[in-house]
Amino acid sequence: DTAVSQTPKYLVTQMGNDKSIKCEQNLGHDTMYWYKQDSKKFLKIMFSYNNKELIINETVPNRFSPKSPDKAHLNLHINSLELGDSAVYFCASSQEPGGPGELFFGEGSRLTVL
Amino acid sequence: RKEVEQDPGPFNVPEGATVAFNCTYSNSASQSFFWYRQDCRKEPKLLMSVYSSGNEDGRFTAQLNRASQYISLLIRDSKLSDSATYLCVVNKGGNTPLVFGKGTRLSVIA
Repeated sequence: DTAVSQTPKYLVTQMGNDKSIKCEQNLGHDTMYWYKQDSKKFLKIMFSYNNKELIINETVPNRFSPKSPDKAHLNLHINSLELGDSAVYFCASSQEPGGPGELFFGEGSRLTVL
Repeated sequence: RKEVEQDPGPFNVPEGATVAFNCTYSNSASQSFFWYRQDCRKEPKLLMSVYSSGNEDGRFTAQLNRASQYISLLIRDSKLSDSATYLCVVNKGGNTPLVFGKGTRLSVIA
């Protein structure tokens, strides 16, 4: 069983569209994250949720709206997609907010905005 | 200054070689340190935590120098399967997120 699973794995869309990426973890962790890895491979935190509550929002444009219906799920909705949003988006989970424990990542969702 | 800095490489080494990666971090309040490994087009995975006294896991040795704010990873007897990007990761504790370096790319050549 995949510990952290995210869908879709690949997403190609036009500028201006709205898209969502879903993430689920079956590890029983309390904390979930969205990270963005751009073309330069820089992995940067976007959001963190602990038990469905937002605890970190790293100055991400408000076109990005995370939603956590329960502690096992953290979805990411992106409005009005821009070229610069093209990246790989990784969902992750950990038992504690921010660590120091291990982060478990999903396989990533590769978003291409044309 | 970036929070976590690494030499991006690539490091191209022959099988059996010993290779070392370095990483510096800017925040002296950082509390936890890790090395993650990311294979091409895959997700990052924890390789090992880094402890103050230094620690070893098989062919991998990690060291931390808090005074110099410096972390290192040594890989002995490199294997082809060690080819990957190695990410230096730092945590300030509390609810702060893990901060990732840009990674150092290693290619082990037969």
